[in-house]
Amino acid sequence: RKEVEQDPGPFNVPEGATVAFNCTYSNSASQSFFWYRQDCRKEPKLLMSVYSSGNEDGRFTAQLNRASQYISLLIRDSKLSDSATYLCVVNRPPAAGNKLTFGGGTRVLVKP
Amino acid sequence: DGGITQSPKYLFRKEGQNVTLSCEQNLNHDAMYWYRQDPGQGLRLIYYSQIVNDFQKGDIAEGYSVSREKKESFPLTVTSAQKNPTAFYLCASRSTSEQYFGPGTRLTVT
Repeated sequence: RKEVEQDPGPFNVPEGATVAFNCTYSNSASQSFFWYRQDCRKEPKLLMSVYSSGNEDGRFTAQLNRASQYISLLIRDSKLSDSATYLCVVNRPPAAGNKLTFGGGTRVLVKP
Repeated sequence: DGGITQSPKYLFRKEGQNVTLSCEQNLNHDAMYWYRQDPGQGLRLIYYSQIVNDFQKGDIAEGYSVSREKKESFPLTVTSAQKNPTAFYLCASRSTSEQYFGPGTRLTVT
């Protein structure tokens, strides 16, 4: 089983609609979680950290479910500019080196 | 402007040649990382360095080497021993809260 797994998509989303997708992680001791956005042929950029209580940043909402070991990202009122690949990132616990593990990404295509 | 620079953006080499990818940061970060990304896949950690003059192997270090003689610089050498060197290589540095990436180098080996 991969450490971090994501549905590769693509998720084809009409402009203005809501889209949500999950990411599962295997190490129950993982403590920090992030969503990064990567545009085609560019470097990843931090979209948001994911907190235990869930957090919202404008149209983006991230949730963490420790019991089921997954995190989610919801995008409301999708814009054409939201088209990108969203990478789920999990920080390995200190005993495992405190390094980041990246999922393969979920591709989102927002269409007019 | 603070950030991470990688050069060149595109690099072409013949099989059997070693090649060194440059990574420089002026963010004053201690920790630096090298990843490789293949099409449709996530980033995989090659090497990382938590401090000057120290570095550790990541998950896929075979066929690669690094040095960390200065805080600002963390060059990666792709040796001829690397079986599948064609990939997108990303350098990163890390603060306490976030990992920042350089623009990447696309290496093609034929």
